[in-house]
Amino acid sequence: AQSVTQLDSQVPVFEEAPVELRCNYSSSVSVYLFWYVQYPNQGLQLLLKYLSGSTLVKGINGFEAEFNKSQTSFHLRKPSVHISDTAEYFCAVSEGSGGYQKVTFGIGTKLQVIP
Amino acid sequence: SQTIHQWPATLVQPVGSPLSLECTVEGTSNPNLYWYRQAAGRGLQLLFYSVGIGQISSEVPQNLSASRPQDRQFILSSKKLLLSDSGFYLCAWSVTGGSGELFFGEGSRLTVL
Repeated sequence: AQSVTQLDSQVPVFEEAPVELRCNYSSSVSVYLFWYVQYPNQGLQLLLKYLSGSTLVKGINGFEAEFNKSQTSFHLRKPSVHISDTAEYFCAVSEGSGGYQKVTFGIGTKLQVIP
Repeated sequence: SQTIHQWPATLVQPVGSPLSLECTVEGTSNPNLYWYRQAAGRGLQLLFYSVGIGQISSEVPQNLSASRPQDRQFILSSKKLLLSDSGFYLCAWSVTGGSGELFFGEGSRLTVL
C-alpha cells in the first residue's frame, strides 16, 4: 500500500527567505507525485507534478520540487517566499491500473510566512 | 475548459438531520469522481470514488453514502448526521486512465450542532 509522509506539520519562515517542505512516500510500484496548495476555505489547486523525465519539476508561483527515487522523496522548494505563499501544502502520490488512480495525500504542511 | 462546482458552500445542520451535497463537472466526459473530507490536522480522507454512473466505491465505513445519477454529477448524502460528520468536504475529478491529477471543487463546510 502506498503512503505519504510530510514530516513538518507547520513551517514558519521569514519573508524573502528560502523554504523547503519535505515529503517522503512509499509504494511498491511506479507512481506519479504531486504537490497541491490550499488557501483558507478553498479547494486544493495543483502546484506541480512529476510524471516522468527530468527529476526537477517547476510549478506555479516559483515553486519547484525534485524527485529522488533512491530516497523516495519529493521535497518542495522556493528560493524566496512571499506573504501570499502562506497556505497549506499537500504532497500526494498516485498509482493505479485500468481507469482508476488511487491517490493518497499527506497530512499537509502549513507554511506561515512572517513579514 | 473543464470546471467543477459543488454546493452548498456552507451548511449548519442539527444532529440527526439529513444531508445532501452536490457536485457537477463540466467540459469533460466519463471522469473519475471523488469525495474527500478534511478535518483539522488530519489531511484529506477519501470517502468515496466513482469510475462510472451508478458505480460507487467506499473507502471508509460510515453513515454517509454517495450516488452518481449522471455521468458528471456526484452526490454525498446522509440520512442522519452525527457530530463527527462536521468538516470540510471536497469533491474532485480526474481523467479516466490518466495520471491521477485531481481537480477540486471549492469545498463545502459542514457544521453539525
